[in-house]
Amino acid sequence: NAGVTQTPKFRVLKTGQSMTLLCAQDMNHEYMYWYRQDPGMGLRLIHYSVGEGTTAKGEVPDGYNVSRLKKQNFLLGLESAAPSQTSVYFCASSRSGDSPLHFGNGTRLTVT
Amino acid sequence: QKEVEQDPGPLSVPEGAIVSLNCTYSNSAFQYFMWYRQYSRKGPELLMYTYSSGNKEDGRFTAQVDKSSKYISLFIRDSQPSDSATYLCAMSLVSGSARQLTFGSGTQLTVLP
Repeated sequence: NAGVTQTPKFRVLKTGQSMTLLCAQDMNHEYMYWYRQDPGMGLRLIHYSVGEGTTAKGEVPDGYNVSRLKKQNFLLGLESAAPSQTSVYFCASSRSGDSPLHFGNGTRLTVT
Repeated sequence: QKEVEQDPGPLSVPEGAIVSLNCTYSNSAFQYFMWYRQYSRKGPELLMYTYSSGNKEDGRFTAQVDKSSKYISLFIRDSQPSDSATYLCAMSLVSGSARQLTFGSGTQLTVLP
């Protein structure tokens, strides 16, 4: 039972490049989330999904897009990376809105 | 002003010490309070969850909530080197809704053997 798996673990991008971060969960959870974690800022919600085919904006959605085509996968896309998007990105899932969050181990992204 | 304030530390204590970690918040509408533990290079994991004022105990850990003062604490008794991690407080307006979950910035704790 892997839980929440994020790929890749590390990535370096140049300004303007695009990339997709993949999150996969094997717990059959309905809810999935993307957070970013920056020093002194705490975890901030980027986008989330309450079920397959649904997505919604969180606190800091600008510059990111997401898709939830399959229940077990939640993709985070950066269309044109900016240095301000240098961060550690965490995916999480939960059985419902009231359930505890299960986090992956993060993707460390540097944009130069 | 941030909605949730947490002293970033770092905090260093000897093994066996009692550790007190604290968060203050400004939004009196927060109803549910959580503590997450995050080991280096790992994702956060839920440690404690409470929704009422008062104390909740789980083994060596006690979560304390004072809604009148907008202040929450996590106490760790008989601290161990394995407790070395960053501790994040989190709170929400409704029961566990991640859509409304606000995190503190975390306190880095080191327990020295």
